[in-house]
Amino acid sequence: GAVVSQHPSWVICKSGTSVKIECRSLDFQATTMFWYRQFPKQSLMLMATSNEGSKATYEQGVEKDKFLINHASLTLSTLTVTSAHPEDSSFYICSATRGGMNTEAFFGQGTRLTVV
Amino acid sequence: RKEVEQDPGPFNVPEGATVAFNCTYSNSASQSFFWYRQDCRKEPKLLMSVYSSGNEDGRFTAQLNRASQYISLLIRDSKLSDSATYLCVLPTGNQFYFGTGTSLTVIP
Repeated sequence: GAVVSQHPSWVICKSGTSVKIECRSLDFQATTMFWYRQFPKQSLMLMATSNEGSKATYEQGVEKDKFLINHASLTLSTLTVTSAHPEDSSFYICSATRGGMNTEAFFGQGTRLTVV
Repeated sequence: RKEVEQDPGPFNVPEGATVAFNCTYSNSASQSFFWYRQDCRKEPKLLMSVYSSGNEDGRFTAQLNRASQYISLLIRDSKLSDSATYLCVLPTGNQFYFGTGTSLTVIP
């Protein structure tokens, strides 16, 4: 299968600082990338859909000014958590698809963010 | 109504047992589905794709019931290594909708 690399795999930051998470498709061009958040014992919650070269589409309840998404190329999307607070502590996962209908989603390894 | 609904479990079964999970969906036009497996603190990984009425791969069988709008995953001869959370996923256009996941623990 295709490879999606996410970095960093874990990060601890102080409250009020910003954290950037990178998601790269290593061996294919990802027209669309998705960002998810997962709290303990809960399923993946879609935060936003990111299309290369255009603004991300955010799900209801997700603050676009707090979770900045950039998808500047077909192989890289970034999520920046701005002014992080302890309640932002979570597992963030990106996924990417090759495009087209009903194709498999390939997931990054996830980033465990802890805000102290 | 959620796009995809799934019984969260947990399911605790003895080794060797057969266990089945169901997932209901609301969009009657949906044509395909995925079952993903997620181990604790890891990313989901594709287990099976369902494009028609069903799919079988070894001990795993996935079925699609369009009339009742549900998909199922059957695991035969459960192994300890099958312990994980199983997510049903509905791709719709350019989005993927996830079920809440069903937790399975296989007990020795």
